Amino acid sequence: DTEVTQTPKHLVMGMTNKKSLKCEQHMGHRAMYWYKQKAKKPPELMFVYSYEKLSINESVPSRFSPECPNSSLLNLHLHALQPEDSALYLCASSQVRTSGGADEQFFGPGTRLTVL
Amino acid sequence: AQSVTQLGSHVSVSEGALVLLRCNYSSSVPPYLFWYVQYPNQGLQLLLKYTSAATLVKGINGFEAEFKKSETSFHLTKPSAHMSDAAEYFCAVSDPGQGGKLIFGQGTELSVKP
Repeated sequence: DTEVTQTPKHLVMGMTNKKSLKCEQHMGHRAMYWYKQKAKKPPELMFVYSYEKLSINESVPSRFSPECPNSSLLNLHLHALQPEDSALYLCASSQVRTSGGADEQFFGPGTRLTVL
Repeated sequence: AQSVTQLGSHVSVSEGALVLLRCNYSSSVPPYLFWYVQYPNQGLQLLLKYTSAATLVKGINGFEAEFKKSETSFHLTKPSAHMSDAAEYFCAVSDPGQGGKLIFGQGTELSVKP
């Protein structure tokens, strides 16, 4: 299985709502990533988990809260978002970098988020 | 810091013509380089990667890229464009010292005319 799955595909939420995005992979990867992508722009890294521990937080506002319950799952909890947070949210996974290795990342299809 | 520059935000070719998408990187250490493709409303799919094993890298869907250290380039080519190649293409570099972080170029949108 070389697939990263994400649910839901689309999400519309108000600024006072609480929602969660989910990501799952069964490739045995121990690094997982959240990206935010605006239209016609490259993905922007938000968070990196390595061995289920948060290793990189790219100064993301606290209204985004990541969680890695186990090595296959990654969640992104959303609360009190702003309209400018509307974007495509991508999850990715990879092997953890080892000496001499290149950690290609496998991406999911994304969740299209609209904040009203 | 690592950076990637993709020359041309939009490239248009005719079906059957050569595709050339340009990517230049800046790196003080030997980089790992990647090309990803993104079709509308989808995630990113890896086309190919450079890991120093060979300078000419073959990928999926007939694409290939050549690593040229002297030019700090990793341009993507395909001999004959198909309509299905129309998509957004991203070049990316991975810095061994930054925990697997990918640095993306701004992307190039490829259009294919019949």
